[in-house]
Amino acid sequence: GQNIDQPTEMTATEGAIVQINCTYQTSGFNGLFWYQQHAGEAPTFLSYNVLDGLEEKGRFSSFLSRSKGYSYLLLKELQMKDSASYLCAVKNNQAGTALIFGKGTTLSVSS
Amino acid sequence: EAQVTQNPRYLITVTGKKLTVTCSQNMNHEYMSWYRQDPGLGLRQIYYSMNVEVTDKGDVPEGYKVSRKEKRNFPLILESPSPNQTSLYFCASSPQGVQPQHFGDGTRLSIL
Repeated sequence: GQNIDQPTEMTATEGAIVQINCTYQTSGFNGLFWYQQHAGEAPTFLSYNVLDGLEEKGRFSSFLSRSKGYSYLLLKELQMKDSASYLCAVKNNQAGTALIFGKGTTLSVSS
Repeated sequence: EAQVTQNPRYLITVTGKKLTVTCSQNMNHEYMSWYRQDPGLGLRQIYYSMNVEVTDKGDVPEGYKVSRKEKRNFPLILESPSPNQTSLYFCASSPQGVQPQHFGDGTRLSIL
C-alpha cells in the first residue's frame, strides 16, 4: 500500500528552529514535495527533492533519504507568519499518477 | 499573472442537483488535477489529466466526472451531488505531472 506519515501538530516560538518529519511507503518513488497551506488558502509549493541530501532555500531546507523513506522540512528563524499546515507529498513512478499527500502538520508559532 | 481560476468559490446546493465547478489555467500547462480536502483526511486526488482528451481516475473518483476538451479548462462535474461530497475542492496544474503544481484558491461546496 501507499502511506505517508507526518505529525499532526507542532508548536514552536518565534526565532526558533523546527523540523517537520515525513515518512513514506509508496510503490516506487519519483520525488517528494513540501507545500505550505495557510488556513482557508490554497497550498503553495515550498521544495522538491528527488535525490538524497539537503536542499536549502532561504529559511527553509528540505532533506531526503530515499533508502529510509524519510524526509524533513527545516524551518529556521521562525516567524509568526510561518503558522500554517505543511504538507508532504510523494510522486510515485506510475505514469500519470499525481501526488500522494500526507495529512499535513499544523505548525503554531507563538511569540 | 499566472494563475489557476476556480468558480464558484462557494456554493450551497441540494442533493441531486447537478453542478459543475470550472477550472481554468493560463500557463499552458499540460497537467491538471482535482483534489478534495477534508479534515483529518488531507488532500485526496479525484481525477487528473495528462493532456487534452486524456483523463484518469485518482484515489476518490466515485460520484465525479471530468472533461478536458481544451488545454486550459478542466471542469469537475457532480451529476447527482450527495452530502458526503461536501468538501473543499482544489484544482491544480503543472507543466507536466512530476513538477510542482499551482493550486487554485479552492471551492467550498456544501451539499444539503
